[in-house]
Amino acid sequence: DIQMTQSPSSVSASVGDRVTITCRASQGISTWLAWYQQKPGKAPKLLIYAASSLQSGVPSRFSGSGSGTDFTLTITNLQPEDFATYYCQQANSLSRITFGQGTRLEIK
Amino acid sequence: EVQLVESGGGPVKSGGSLRLSCAASGFTFSSFSMSWVRQVPGKGLEWVSSFSIGRNYIFYADSVKGRFTISRDNVKNSLYLQMNSLRPEDTAVYYCARDKGYAVAGTWYFDNWGQGTLVTVSS
Repeated sequence: DIQMTQSPSSVSASVGDRVTITCRASQGISTWLAWYQQKPGKAPKLLIYAASSLQSGVPSRFSGSGSGTDFTLTITNLQPEDFATYYCQQANSLSRITFGQGTRLEIK
Repeated sequence: EVQLVESGGGPVKSGGSLRLSCAASGFTFSSFSMSWVRQVPGKGLEWVSSFSIGRNYIFYADSVKGRFTISRDNVKNSLYLQMNSLRPEDTAVYYCARDKGYAVAGTWYFDNWGQGTLVTVSS
């Protein structure tokens, strides 16, 4: 299976800050990568797919980049509603979809 | 509006069985691949199984292969997960998720999720 490793595991930031979360795949996955946001007690929400495509309805302060094994999710001008846990997910392996372990974004 | 509503979760003893259902509405169910994803409370996400509309391919995580069976009824607009030989490590919230791709075999990006149903397996 392709392993997805996110860093950091948690990060503290303030409203208005810029935050970057990274995700590394154990083997190349081209741009078959998604990012999700999850708030406590809620289902995950798709933010970014195909590494850099913004899902409809998601604010433009969210952006994704990368290809191959290294990917980033960047959130600019952090808003109060952005404090949540973020997961990357590889969609390259048709029969073995895997998620990163999650990054918790907390208010400083 | 897309809606996915899971049901069928609950407490069960180790070795027992449960059948989860996911009722879909607000979209053409037969045109989308569907999946199950689970999450141990307080932990990360784990993909469980997918049903691709392309040639009806079915995939399972190794952790559930041989014990879980995914199926769908395009007339009833429903997705199912039959879970047999349940183990304590199967305890999790189970989410039904829709693939982002319309009328394609599967992009494996999940753009709509249900609220989840909790399965608790006791030893």
